[in-house]
Amino acid sequence: QSVLTQPPSVSGAPGQRVTISCTGSSSNIGAGYDVHWYQQLPGTAPKLLIYGNSNRPSGVPDRFSGSKSGTSASLAITGLQAEDEADYYCQSYDSSLSDNVVFGGGTKLTVL
Amino acid sequence: EVQLVESGEGLVQPGGSLRLSCAASGFTFSSYAMHWVRQAPGKGLEYVSAISSNGGSTYYADSVKGRFTISRDNSKNTLYLQMGSLRAEDMAVYYCARGNWNRPYYFDYWGQGTLVTVSS
Repeated sequence: QSVLTQPPSVSGAPGQRVTISCTGSSSNIGAGYDVHWYQQLPGTAPKLLIYGNSNRPSGVPDRFSGSKSGTSASLAITGLQAEDEADYYCQSYDSSLSDNVVFGGGTKLTVL
Repeated sequence: EVQLVESGEGLVQPGGSLRLSCAASGFTFSSYAMHWVRQAPGKGLEYVSAISSNGGSTYYADSVKGRFTISRDNSKNTLYLQMGSLRAEDMAVYYCARGNWNRPYYFDYWGQGTLVTVSS
């Protein structure tokens, strides 16, 4: 049971827009701690996709965007492409736990 | 180009030990905190350990505290994870990652991962 809750799976057709939610609580996202997102393509290491809620590292297409509101955050992917098929993880900080760095359980994105 | 290359993959019996290494290049290693994150087969990501840029401060998840030791050699641009009293639940791919010591905690570069198998 992850501290940050993500849907196990989402899907969309090429060209569509999909969103992945990351729901936390008042001790993590709701407390104002930043949310970061990672993309893990099949068989590879995670890659930083969004940091500080909505910032894209150099090289990440602007089809990927992040937002945060209240105790939740979202990753949006527009113009869905086949190569976006991957697992996506949110990550934040939780002040109520001894293990402060927390990840969501991950969401498998399937491009139909 | 930032590169992190883990090594030390292996099969170890429960209760055994293993040391992982992570060779860094393409950035000033001694300026960054470094982290270990693991992923059990078919599971999500789990934060394991961290070390400050000068090695003076360390952090361990409760699940590995007292069994794992993180260290670094800034003269060799290498990060280590000494794992002891290994359990079946420690079996995972272990990734080293570059990050901050203070908030915001995120990991901007990751290694390719190295597999630790714990089995008798």
